[in-house]
Amino acid sequence: EDQVTQSPEALRLQEGESSSLNCSYTVSGLRGLFWYRQDPGKGPEFLFTLYSAGEEKEKERLKATLTKKESFLHITAPKPEDSATYLCAVQGGGGSNYKLTFGKGTLLTVNP
Amino acid sequence: GAVVSQHPSWVICKSGTSVKIECRSLDFQATTMFWYRQFPKQSLMLMATSNEGSKATYEQGVEKDKFLINHASLTLSTLTVTSAHPEDSSFYICSASQGLAAFGEQYFGPGTRLTVT
Repeated sequence: EDQVTQSPEALRLQEGESSSLNCSYTVSGLRGLFWYRQDPGKGPEFLFTLYSAGEEKEKERLKATLTKKESFLHITAPKPEDSATYLCAVQGGGGSNYKLTFGKGTLLTVNP
Repeated sequence: GAVVSQHPSWVICKSGTSVKIECRSLDFQATTMFWYRQFPKQSLMLMATSNEGSKATYEQGVEKDKFLINHASLTLSTLTVTSAHPEDSSFYICSASQGLAAFGEQYFGPGTRLTVT
């Protein structure tokens, strides 16, 4: 069974204070690792897909990296509007090859 | 692009009644749509997967007779919660995939907050 563990559960940063969120996973044949942003009371917003170890993707202040066991979401010089819950999900190549397995998320709060 | 809408955004119903939630892909054809449920401070749990024109595939532990899913077209899927009870109160979110479900990215709707009194 695919599993995703995100840490920390919550992270509080000052504006401009860079940090990283962690996503550890176990999956049978990784097809893709996904990062989403979710604001309170809203559906997740797609950020990145990573397919293989060593891959990196960037979008504004966010950079996602992938190894064979974990992914990091690096946030550089965050702003208050980056406050949200960040979700990590994996899509495995086992029996349910379309299913996304989500972690519980990291609640990021950026204070001005 | 890749916009998914849901209607209604919130609904309150009495115990024992049924409620229907619509999920639409607005600017693309969704070969596959997914229904998730999310409890407070919990991760999204997949309930079922539907492909246009065929029966939905339900995850283990999800009652197919209680959560009826219809995917009548490439842009519309509906979830009907039948004989709703207070424990069905949750945040229901749909997503849609443009390409092959095995590889395509999923785009999520804004969610529907269901409260059963």
